[in-house]
Amino acid sequence: NAGVTQTPKFRILKIGQSMTLQCTQDMNHNYMYWYRQDPGMGLKLIYYSVGAGITDKGEVPNGYNVSRSTTEDFPLRLELAAPSQTSVYFCASSYGAPNTGELFFGEGSRLTVL
Amino acid sequence: QQQVKQSPQSLIVQKGGISIINCAYENTAFDYFPWYQQFPGKGPALLIAIRPDVSEKKEGRFTISFNKSAKQFSLHIMDSQPGDSATYFCAASTGNTGKLIFGQGTTLQVKP
Repeated sequence: NAGVTQTPKFRILKIGQSMTLQCTQDMNHNYMYWYRQDPGMGLKLIYYSVGAGITDKGEVPNGYNVSRSTTEDFPLRLELAAPSQTSVYFCASSYGAPNTGELFFGEGSRLTVL
Repeated sequence: QQQVKQSPQSLIVQKGGISIINCAYENTAFDYFPWYQQFPGKGPALLIAIRPDVSEKKEGRFTISFNKSAKQFSLHIMDSQPGDSATYFCAASTGNTGKLIFGQGTTLQVKP
């Protein structure tokens, strides 16, 4: 199993551009998450999904959108990129209860907005 | 609002020593407390976790101590090894959504 796969690994955007970070998992997990990691700040939840067709906001959703049309895929859309969105983005998945808190993370996508 | 506060920010330990990382939380509804380990260029990976109905959990050299009344929990790494050098995150969650609230992270360096 590949686990959680994220693409691209690195990307540089100009202010105002848009892009989609791709995330796919092959573990048949129902729950999927997007986090961003900034130095000294830990990981902050952007959006999450408990199943296909169901998404909800996390702690820091502004400037982002998600969709979940299949169990496997959970893309994160950045509209009108801003320097504040420079970060490392992690996608994660979880089987769900009773081990909901055991998240499996991808290797991250490093985004720079200039 | 930082719901989970982690300290220290960085830690240097000699090989064979004990590494201790502390976390404090505010929300008494939290019912799951994991620790994640992250190596450079990789995503975090679950190391060990505890629920509030027990005060301690041990897995090999790693132990979580949990103090419900003080709303604190800590990670102890016994006989620390250079291969333990990584960033460690505590986290907490409530309910069944798996929405983890992470601490700020601790960078551990174990010197040979």
